[in-house]
Amino acid sequence: GAVVSQHPSRVICKSGTSVKIECRSLDFQATTMFWYRQFPKQSLMLMATSNEGSKATYEQGVEKDKFLINHASLTLSTLTVTSAHPEDSSFYICSAQSGLNSYNEQFFGPGTRLTVL
Amino acid sequence: AQSVTQLGSHVSVSEGALVLLRCNYSSSVPPYLFWYVQYPNQGLQLLLKYTSAATLVKGINGFEAEFKKSETSFHLTKPSAHMSDAAEYFCAVSEDTGNQFYFGTGTSLTVIP
Repeated sequence: GAVVSQHPSRVICKSGTSVKIECRSLDFQATTMFWYRQFPKQSLMLMATSNEGSKATYEQGVEKDKFLINHASLTLSTLTVTSAHPEDSSFYICSAQSGLNSYNEQFFGPGTRLTVL
Repeated sequence: AQSVTQLGSHVSVSEGALVLLRCNYSSSVPPYLFWYVQYPNQGLQLLLKYTSAATLVKGINGFEAEFKKSETSFHLTKPSAHMSDAAEYFCAVSEDTGNQFYFGTGTSLTVIP
């Protein structure tokens, strides 16, 4: 149980284009989803927290107009990197919480490797 | 504010030797503590979690961790390292007053044959 998928696993795009990454909770309803960014050999950096049906809360320094997050249902959140540039190349990981356990456990997706040329 | 410190960004052990990865946290309230493992180009897999039940927590793949409140530590151990244990390990802490995770900077484990 508690499986989170991400699609695509890898994406290469040209500078200036937009890329959408999907995060799905496959066997539970995710009241809260998180989006992280990870640079090589570094820890996860929280970008934003999204609750189903409401606007995402972005961490300081994360441009909300560049990283659009939508959490339209209890099983799906999307991250759209708009007008991508090479510096946006990174590993993006989502996670989900069910809200049913009191331990705040997050279930992580397998990640999406974004390369912007 | 929460913080997590993982001492040693790189740890090397011989195959069959003890693995010890250190994690210290700061928290004003009893925390929930987690250890995750990450293999290259993959997401995070939960190894084990402390949720205020037993202080010695057993996880998958032979790993265990002990919550020591007096030392504010949650070190990860495994009696005998296997080649397949080579990966990046992250310690994380959360509080019941919020749902956010605070990650340590990670420890890269190398297992030498």
